[in-house]
Amino acid sequence: GAVVSQHPSWVICKSGTSVKIECRSLDFQATTMFWYRQFPKQSLMLMATSNEGSKATYEQGVEKDKFLINHASLTLSTLTVTSAHPEDSSFYICSASRRTATNEKLFFGSGTQLSVL
Amino acid sequence: DAKTTQPNSMESNEEEPVHLPCNHSTISGTDYIHWYRQLPSQGPEYVIHGLTSNVNNRMASLAIAEDRKSSTLILHRATLRDAAVYYCILRDGGGNQFYFGTGTSLTVIP
Repeated sequence: GAVVSQHPSWVICKSGTSVKIECRSLDFQATTMFWYRQFPKQSLMLMATSNEGSKATYEQGVEKDKFLINHASLTLSTLTVTSAHPEDSSFYICSASRRTATNEKLFFGSGTQLSVL
Repeated sequence: DAKTTQPNSMESNEEEPVHLPCNHSTISGTDYIHWYRQLPSQGPEYVIHGLTSNVNNRMASLAIAEDRKSSTLILHRATLRDAAVYYCILRDGGGNQFYFGTGTSLTVIP
């Protein structure tokens, strides 16, 4: 099956620093990628939709200046958490959409656990 | 985005079939029904999806009600590795986003 690589798998940072998370589709081109965050014991919450070569579409309540998304190529999207604070600590998950003529599936990265001290 | 309703949790004995229900009474004609599952500390993985007809693959079967207002994911023989949170998602064929509901946490008892 298709593979999506997410890096790093975990990161600990100090409050006020920025953290970049990478999401790569390894064996297919993904014109659309999604970024989710997940708190313990909760479901995935869609943060933004990233389309290659254009600005990301953010869900209501998600600060676009805090969560910077770049989708510069068909295989790479990045999420940068700027000036991170303890309340940004969460599990961040990316996914890449793979469409064929008859269906569409999402392939997910393994997630990044962010801990902000 | 259309909503789905699933039980918060279910239990199954190992090697027995499991039927995971999902209600989606506001489904539209172009919505596909997708199922994903998430193991602890991992990203979700695709299980199965369908539009109107029942679907089978190596992981599971998807039974879709005739009025499409509900569906059931069937694991034919539960194993310990099937313990996960199962999400039922409606996806507009022409839309873009995948919104996750609360999901069903499946516990498999040895």
